[in-house]
Amino acid sequence: DGGITQSPKYLFRKEGQNVTLSCEQNLNHDAMYWYRQDPGQGLRLIYYSQIVNDFQKGDIAEGYSVSREKKESFPLTVTSAQKNPTAFYLCASSLWGTLSNQPQHFGDGTRLSIL
Amino acid sequence: AQKVTQAQTEISVVEKEDVTLDCVYETRDTTYYLFWYKQPPSGELVFLIRRNSFDEQNEISGRYSWNFQKSTSSFNFTITASQVVDSAVYFCALTVNSGNTPLVFGKGTRLSVIA
Repeated sequence: DGGITQSPKYLFRKEGQNVTLSCEQNLNHDAMYWYRQDPGQGLRLIYYSQIVNDFQKGDIAEGYSVSREKKESFPLTVTSAQKNPTAFYLCASSLWGTLSNQPQHFGDGTRLSIL
Repeated sequence: AQKVTQAQTEISVVEKEDVTLDCVYETRDTTYYLFWYKQPPSGELVFLIRRNSFDEQNEISGRYSWNFQKSTSSFNFTITASQVVDSAVYFCALTVNSGNTPLVFGKGTRLSVIA
């Protein structure tokens, strides 16, 4: 089945450690996104990518990094510089066109917690 | 800048009641797109509807209906004869057509349908 796969479902990070969240899609979508969800905060955009080897910062990019070496993959690294990483992370993708008017398809999310 | 306000943080209804989720948006662009997503307890966001700013027709899909009113900058979502399976967090989102702008999400409304 076509869709977006995020792994792992649950992830624990020690203080000072970098961790990488995986996001893979087989929908042949050009654009991919990472969101962070905190209780009562809705979804906030971390990074997005419209095309391979290119990405842009979202509203809360500090402490995060991404890469887009392949169309189907958009991993997110939560670095030790992110002081409050505990959250639910959602990856999404959409068709290219204008970035704006295509519905985004979401993965099941990764819940990151600090040990 | 774009903004989406979902003033209702949480709503509880008894099964079979009708319920309306409010969404008010702000934008200076004349071409924009509005979306509703559903987030069930499993975590992934499910796309429900997209509406562009030039189409003010209301839409009905089964028990779901959407009322788009540009005069009040609102895009409200009504569930008729609610069911327990409708329990979820619902997000309204907005994007504009100028400059490949990503989605801006409201903070969501948590709907609980009690049997």
